[in-house]
Amino acid sequence: DGGITQSPKYLFRKEGQNVTLSCEQNLNHDAMYWYRQDPGQGLRLIYYSQIVNDFQKGDIAEGYSVSREKKESFPLTVTSAQKNPTAFYLCASSMSTGANYGYTFGSGTRLTVV
Amino acid sequence: GENVEQHPSTLSVQEGDSAVIKCTYSDSASNYFPWYKQELGKGPQLIIDIRSNVGEKKDQRIAVTLNKTAKHFSLHITETQPEDSAVYFCAPGKHNNNDMRFGAGTRLTVKP
Repeated sequence: DGGITQSPKYLFRKEGQNVTLSCEQNLNHDAMYWYRQDPGQGLRLIYYSQIVNDFQKGDIAEGYSVSREKKESFPLTVTSAQKNPTAFYLCASSMSTGANYGYTFGSGTRLTVV
Repeated sequence: GENVEQHPSTLSVQEGDSAVIKCTYSDSASNYFPWYKQELGKGPQLIIDIRSNVGEKKDQRIAVTLNKTAKHFSLHITETQPEDSAVYFCAPGKHNNNDMRFGAGTRLTVKP
């Protein structure tokens, strides 16, 4: 079955550590996205990528970095510069560029700072 | 940028009743109007969408209506069931704009 896979489901980070969240899709989608969701809140865009080797900052990119070396993969690194990283992180993909195609979301990674 | 508001923020209905959630947006260039359903601990799932050349779309118990003049669109769920309990998000967007903006969400509870 085609889909989008995020791993791990739960992740714990110590202060000062960088951690990387994985996102893989086999839908042959061009565009991929990372969103952050805080409890009881909506989704806020961190980064997005329209094609391989290209990505754009969203509204809350500070303290995060991404890469898009393969069409299928869009990993997100939460760096030590992100002061409040505890949140639910969602990866999504869409068929093509342009927001008028629906997004397919992964099941999320819950990151907690310990 | 797009300003998106959803109302109400929480909605509780009795099983079998109807539920309506409204999404108001600010960008008149928006031409794509989806609704997503998010169950606890999962990612959102697209449940219905509409484009600006259509005023209403229906899929079994759910429907979306669009008023472009007033810049709002609504999700209608009829004959609600307990499994409809979830958080619903709207995310209006426009062509060649890759960063959809999501509303803050509406938590729907359907009581048996």
